[in-house]
Parts: sequence; structure tokens; C-alpha cells
Amino acid sequence: GIQVEQSPPDLILQEGANSTLRCNFSDSVNNLQWFHQNPWGQLINLFYIPSGTKQNGRLSATTVATERYSLLYISSSQTTDSGVYFCAPHDYKLSFGAGTTVTVRA
Amino acid sequence: EAQVTQNPRYLITVTGKKLTVTCSQNMNHEYMSWYRQDPGLGLRQIYYSMNVEVTDKGDVPEGYKVSRKEKRNFPLILESPSPNQTSLYFCASSLSSFDEQYFGPGTRLTVT
Repeated sequence: GIQVEQSPPDLILQEGANSTLRCNFSDSVNNLQWFHQNPWGQLINLFYIPSGTKQNGRLSATTVATERYSLLYISSSQTTDSGVYFCAPHDYKLSFGAGTTVTVRA
Repeated sequence: EAQVTQNPRYLITVTGKKLTVTCSQNMNHEYMSWYRQDPGLGLRQIYYSMNVEVTDKGDVPEGYKVSRKEKRNFPLILESPSPNQTSLYFCASSLSSFDEQYFGPGTRLTVT
């Protein structure tokens, strides 16, 4: 299966700060998803992004499939952004990275 | 509302007592799958189904069974649960294996 590396493993932010999360993957993929797992354990879809850039409010994502990486940008972070962020490339199934744990402090 | 539902959300049981976790989706999706999430191991796929009556093993199928008799439902069966199956379980669905997958709210299972 596809190997997925996410960095950094942990990130502590002051409210209002910006950050970039990175996802490297080992093989060509058909697609890629970013998820946010909130403190209650629910997995929330953020982006479905095979290539290019997408934006949704304060979040945006960029995937460069030819170079096998994706980036998630969080701008003007809020305490509700806390949680674990997973990237999951698709080949015939999702392969999850270990996640980046984000803590946003007020 | 388009959604994936799972029941129960929380379950504490004893070793060897058969249990079923139900999963249902209302989006007419063909592809459904089960994952388990464990600390330090991330999310791993247990079983998946490409369509009705078509199921296959994922990465960690041992100790689990599934069935897909109807498009909307994909139950996960633990015939003889053991403590190492204590985990957070997620069901997911999508139009096809390559399309965006939507996850249920999760089932937290504890086997004592």
C-alpha cells in the first residue's frame, strides 16, 4: 500500500496564527482527502483534492501529485481548529497518515 | 440529510459474546468500508464492499465478518470478540472506491 508521512506530528498555535501541514506519499494516487478529527472523535471531510488548490473559508489545500505531496493551510486559527488532521491518498482505497495533532490556544 | 449512520455509538462487552455493529448510508453509494482506529496505528481498513454481494478483505480482517445484502447496509460482525478488538470503528461510503469517502460518527468498542 501507499506509505504516508505527515509533518509535523504535533503543532501548538496561538489563536490567530497561520500554519502549514504537509503530507508526503510514496506512490501515484488517483485522489487525496484531508480530514479533521475533532476532540469527540468524528472525522470531518475537509478536502477532496487530486491536484491543484482548493479553498474553504480559512482552510485551503494544495496537492502536487507529480511530486507526491499535499499541503493544508490553516489561516487565522481558532480554538475550534484543534484536533487531528489526517491526509489519506486514494489508490483503490484510502491510506491514512499518522496525523498532525493541532492545539490552538486562546 | 445525506449521512452515514452507525449503531451503537458506544459498546462495552465481554470476550466471546457475538456482536454486530450496523452501518447504513442514504446516498445510494456502491462502495462501503470499515476501518478501525488505534493509538499509534492510525486508521486501517478491515473490509470493503464494491457493491451488493461483493466484499473483500482489507488490511486487518482477522476476527471480523461482513455482509452486503442491500446497497445501503454494511454490518460488521465480531463472532467472538477479544480484548485486542477494543478500538474505535468507522464505517465509510462513496460512489466508487476512487470517489470522496464519507465517514460515520464512529463506534467505540471495549471488549473486557
